[in-house]
Amino acid sequence: AQSVTQLGSHVSVSEGALVLLRCNYSSSVPPYLFWYVQYPNQGLQLLLKYTSAATLVKGINGFEAEFKKSETSFHLTKPSAHMSDAAEYFCAVSEIAGGYQKVTFGIGTKLQVIP
Amino acid sequence: DARVTQTPRHKVTEMGQEVTMRCQPILGHNTVFWYRQTMMQGLELLAYFRNRAPLDDSGMPKDRFSAEMPDATLATLKIQPSEPRDSAVYFCASGLVLGSTDTQYFGPGTRLTVL
Repeated sequence: AQSVTQLGSHVSVSEGALVLLRCNYSSSVPPYLFWYVQYPNQGLQLLLKYTSAATLVKGINGFEAEFKKSETSFHLTKPSAHMSDAAEYFCAVSEIAGGYQKVTFGIGTKLQVIP
Repeated sequence: DARVTQTPRHKVTEMGQEVTMRCQPILGHNTVFWYRQTMMQGLELLAYFRNRAPLDDSGMPKDRFSAEMPDATLATLKIQPSEPRDSAVYFCASGLVLGSTDTQYFGPGTRLTVL
């Protein structure tokens, strides 16, 4: 069974500092991995996704994530945090199970950006 | 700008009442997901439809929850009778299934409070 673990339910960074949100996955087949962002009172929206084409994936708003098979990780990074990055971030893993796409989301990491 | 729409955005009801939540998926999408989000459990998949047929509703309490797609432009999630423990944000997401890398597009959610 697939699963994702997000280390740290809350992360605080200063404006301008590096953002690092951690995600480790477990999957019995080659995984497809996603990062979604949820702003207050909104639904989730896709930041980026790994589809095995390239291990370093660039997404919207300056975010990127690197797939590391040896570490079973897909950490999300951004070189310089902006106030507008304050949101909740969800890592997700997807695989075909029972004939359909099954997506499992992590518990989420709330990012606080301190001015 | 195609979006998933959900109504109502907020619902307050009393225990025992019927609640109906509606979702309009993005035109042309052939998959619909219903999720429930709570602080304690995070995002839980309740039901999954492809081409209007339910493929997985194992995450849904069968005795009180029901999900349907009467047509391609409308998905409904009903709770009867509602209970305080059903209080949560309910998200609908739609997508176009092509494989394991499909993106899900989330609606803004329905915040349900059962008193």
